[in-house]
Parts: sequence; C-alpha cells; structure tokens
Amino acid sequence: DTAVSQTPKYLVTQMGNDKSIKCEQNLGHDTMYWYKQDSKKFLKIMFSYNNKELIINETVPNRFSPKSPDKAHLNLHINSLELGDSAVYFCASSQGTLGEQYFGPGTRLTVT
Amino acid sequence: AQTVTQSQPEMSVQEAETVTLSCTYDTSESNYYLFWYKQPPSRQMILVIRQEAYKQQNATENRFSVNFQKAAKSFSLKISDSQLGDTAMYFCAFMSAYSGAGSYQLTFGKGTKLSVIP
Repeated sequence: DTAVSQTPKYLVTQMGNDKSIKCEQNLGHDTMYWYKQDSKKFLKIMFSYNNKELIINETVPNRFSPKSPDKAHLNLHINSLELGDSAVYFCASSQGTLGEQYFGPGTRLTVT
Repeated sequence: AQTVTQSQPEMSVQEAETVTLSCTYDTSESNYYLFWYKQPPSRQMILVIRQEAYKQQNATENRFSVNFQKAAKSFSLKISDSQLGDTAMYFCAFMSAYSGAGSYQLTFGKGTKLSVIP
C-alpha cells in the first residue's frame, strides 16, 4: 500500500491557468508538508501543516495555497500559473513535528 | 536561518568500493536533527540515515554510516561496498529540534550526484 500518494504524477498546463495537486497519506500522521524541487534539484519547504496550524515559507507567492479537508489530505492549489512554477512538487508527512518525514512520489508540473 | 552546504556536486565510485559524501551546516542551535536522503532516478525521496545532535555516537544503517562532528558542524555520509543501486542524488538535511514556527521543516543542501560504476 502506498504510504503517501500524489495525483497527478505529471501535469502540463498553460500560463495563467489554475491547477491543484492532491496529496493523501494513509499512515495516520498528523503533520504534512509541501516541498518544491527546482530544475537544479534544489528542494525547498513551501508549507507545513500540523493540527490546523499552517506555517508558510515567506518566499512562497500567495498564488500558492494549501488546503486540508482532513488530517489525511493536504492539497496544493496554484492560481495564475507562471513559467517559473515549473518544478517537481513533493508532499510529505510525519507523525509529530519531529517524526521521520515520508515523501510522496512527486508531481512534475510543466507550465508552457 | 540554518544553511546546509554540500560541496561536491558530483562524485563517482567503483562498485564495491567506499565513498564519502560531505555536508556542512550552519546553525546557532544546540539541539537538532540531521538527515541524509537519497533520490534515485525514480524521483522518490528515501531516508537513508538520521542523526540526533545530542547523541555522540555516529548513526549507522547497514552499509551507510555517518561521521558527525558537532563542533565542526560537519555531517558526512560513508557508503561502504557501493552497489549499482546506490546511484542517486544524495541530499543532506537539517531540522531544528526546538518548537516554534518552521522548526520542524527540513532545510536541504543542494545535493551530490553519486554514480556507481560497474
């Protein structure tokens, strides 16, 4: 069984569109994250979400918004997509804020 | 803010040999966690090893071990008996152990691309 899953795995879209990436974890974890990996493979935290507390990395544009319908899901919504948003987006989860983080398979977003 | 530096963008090693990947970090905190993650061509991020800063003993996990030098803020990864399946990007990461905004978020280095040569 997949521990952390993301859909879709690949997403190609045009500039200006709005898109969502879904993340689900079946580990019973209480903390979830979104990371962005750029074309040079650099990974950077975007958001973390624990017990309804959202921590936002100050460098993330407000076009990005995480939404958590329940503890097992943390979806990423992106408005007005730009070329620079092209990247691989990883979801992760952990039990507690100091637990090991388990990563999803990543979603490769390409904005044309 | 914490920073993590991996000074070797690429490395290669012969199969069955030993290789060491370097990582240094900068923090003013005394309690934290350090990690090595592996990202093979499949793109999946896999935790290789974890070290708690308050533990003096170096962590080991089968063929993987670390050399943790707290005073020098150094955290290198040694891979023994390298296998073809070890070919991957390796990321060093830091996480604060203190509560507070952003304290449990991973800060990654830029990665080292390791190639194991048959």
